[in-house]
Formats: sequence, structure tokens, C-alpha cells
Amino acid sequence: AAGVIQSPRHLIKEKRETATLKCYPIPRHDTVYWYQQGPGQDPQFLISFYEKMQSDKGSIPDRFSAQQFSDYHSELNMSSLELGDSALYFCASSLQDLYGYTFGSGTRLTVV
Amino acid sequence: AQTVTQSQPEMSVQEAETVTLSCTYDTSESDYYLFWYKQPPSRQMILVIRQEAYKQQNATENRFSVNFQKAAKSFSLKISDSQLGDAAMYFCALNAGGTSYGKLTFGQGTILTVHP
Repeated sequence: AAGVIQSPRHLIKEKRETATLKCYPIPRHDTVYWYQQGPGQDPQFLISFYEKMQSDKGSIPDRFSAQQFSDYHSELNMSSLELGDSALYFCASSLQDLYGYTFGSGTRLTVV
Repeated sequence: AQTVTQSQPEMSVQEAETVTLSCTYDTSESDYYLFWYKQPPSRQMILVIRQEAYKQQNATENRFSVNFQKAAKSFSLKISDSQLGDAAMYFCALNAGGTSYGKLTFGQGTILTVHP
């Protein structure tokens, strides 16, 4: 069965650079979620999209932006990267009216 | 606001034995969903078990079962016949949006070690 695809798996950036993370949801899933998991921490909700519109927003820094495209894939754009942005970034997708959702394997971002 | 608390940073169990991981939560919503996720060293988030708050019957998935105490806002995970592959970080999570989809609030996690 198709899963949630995230790319790249690993990314190394320097401070003040920009990074773009991509998420391809399970086919027919209409909602995408982004989470950030710092080292040794629990995942923190960043933002979600339903039918290409932002549906909820969590503790996402102003330096970050995200969107969901017409093919339902989503991109998380992170600018002016800081060392503290180093984390595992998860994307998950769901279909409204279904029970729970599926996580991707994550993108590990390292800022040096 | 919703909170999830896992008071056991680490737990250990002998292979084939039973272990219980604790989780308490707080929400003002009457309709919510609770989940246990497993995160092995690969860092993949894997759904272990889920429970709807309106269901009184405790969820069971093979060797995994929960003890859901709604009044006490407690949601513990019992792993029976523990296997080496059960070793991982376990997160308790709450979706208090009244639906099965929507953002999750996670607990701090419990690292489970399984001894052969």
C-alpha cells in the first residue's frame, strides 16, 4: 500500500539558509499535517491543510511557511535557518471521516 | 488547551513478560481520541492502538491493549508477551478536536527496553 512520502530524508543546511521539505500524502487523502520533533522531544504540531487551505496552525515560527498544492502534496519552507531548527520533521496525511492518520518517515534537518 | 503526560521516562521488561506504560491527559472536550504511537530507532511513527472516548470498551490489538479510565483521564498501554522488537520510544497522543483527524498533542514519551 502507498504510504506518505517525504523528501529529502536528510538535509544539511547552514545558518541563515533556506530549506524546503516536501510531503506527498497517501492518494485520495485530503489533509496534510506537519510536525517538528527536536532531539529527545515529543513531536510538536506546526500546521495542517485541508483541501489546499490552511486548517489549523500550531507553534510554527514566522520564518516558516507551508502550502498544499493542487495535487495535494505539501511543502514546508523554512527561511533564515537557526541551529535550533535542527529536528526531525514529520508529515502525516488523512482522509476526513476516516479514523486516524499515517505518518511519513520524516526529514531530518541539520543546521550547522 | 490539551495536555498529555507520560510520567515514566524509561521502562524495562524481560522478554515474554508484560509491561504497562502510563499516560494521563487533560481536555475540556467530551469527544476525543487517544492513541499510542511507537517510534523505533528508525524514527518512523507507527500507530499501535487507538481509542475513541465515547467507547467504554477498551481497545485491543493482538498483544497490545489499553486501560481507558475516562473519569480519571488515564490511558495506559499494556504490552503482553513482550518481544525484542517492541523496544522503542512510545508516545501517548490526544486528538481533542472531536474527530479522528486533526492535530495531535503528544506526551513526552517513554523509552521501553526489552531484555532477552
